[in-house]
Amino acid sequence: NAGVTQTPKFRILKIGQSMTLQCTQDMNHNYMYWYRQDPGMGLKLIYYSVGAGITDKGEVPNGYNVSRSTTEDFPLRLELAAPSQTSVYFCASSYGRFQPQHFGDGTRLSIL
Amino acid sequence: TQLLEQSPQFLSIQEGENLTVYCNSSSVFSSLQWYRQEPGEGPVLLVTVVTGGEVKKLKRLTFQFGDARKDSSLHITAAQTGDTGLYLCAGALSRDDKIIFGKGTRLHILP
Repeated sequence: NAGVTQTPKFRILKIGQSMTLQCTQDMNHNYMYWYRQDPGMGLKLIYYSVGAGITDKGEVPNGYNVSRSTTEDFPLRLELAAPSQTSVYFCASSYGRFQPQHFGDGTRLSIL
Repeated sequence: TQLLEQSPQFLSIQEGENLTVYCNSSSVFSSLQWYRQEPGEGPVLLVTVVTGGEVKKLKRLTFQFGDARKDSSLHITAAQTGDTGLYLCAGALSRDDKIIFGKGTRLHILP
């Protein structure tokens, strides 16, 4: 089982560039999430989705955008990369809102 | 502010020793999850506790949910080097539809 797949695994961006972090899951989960994990700071929720066509802001949404056109895919878009967005980004999915979350292996992003 | 505080932040002990890590809050949770994260990987669920006072065992790991559902503990018996990792707790706040993560306890078991 592939579970949650994130691409790319690593990326270096220049300030002001844009990119899309890809996330796909094959478990037919309704809920999907994007987190960022900074050193010593735990996981912070950026955006989440309760199903195709529905997205909502999490704790730290500024500077990011998401879309959910299918159940499987939940891409995260950075429009104008800033050094403060240097972090490890995790995508996760779950069957329901408070059900156990399945995480991808993360995307390590550096903004220089 | 809804916070989940985990303690200790770091713990380094010898293989074979016992240890307990804690997850505390002033908020009441409808459920609480424990995850383990290894370097370069995403968190992996260990257990979910739902009922106040609940105790769950996973081999050498014992998880307890506080009676008031505000805190939880993870006890490891006879730690092994394979237990090394970042242990995260996550609480579900049903009243405002949120899940919050603690900052984690980084555990290092020395051979």
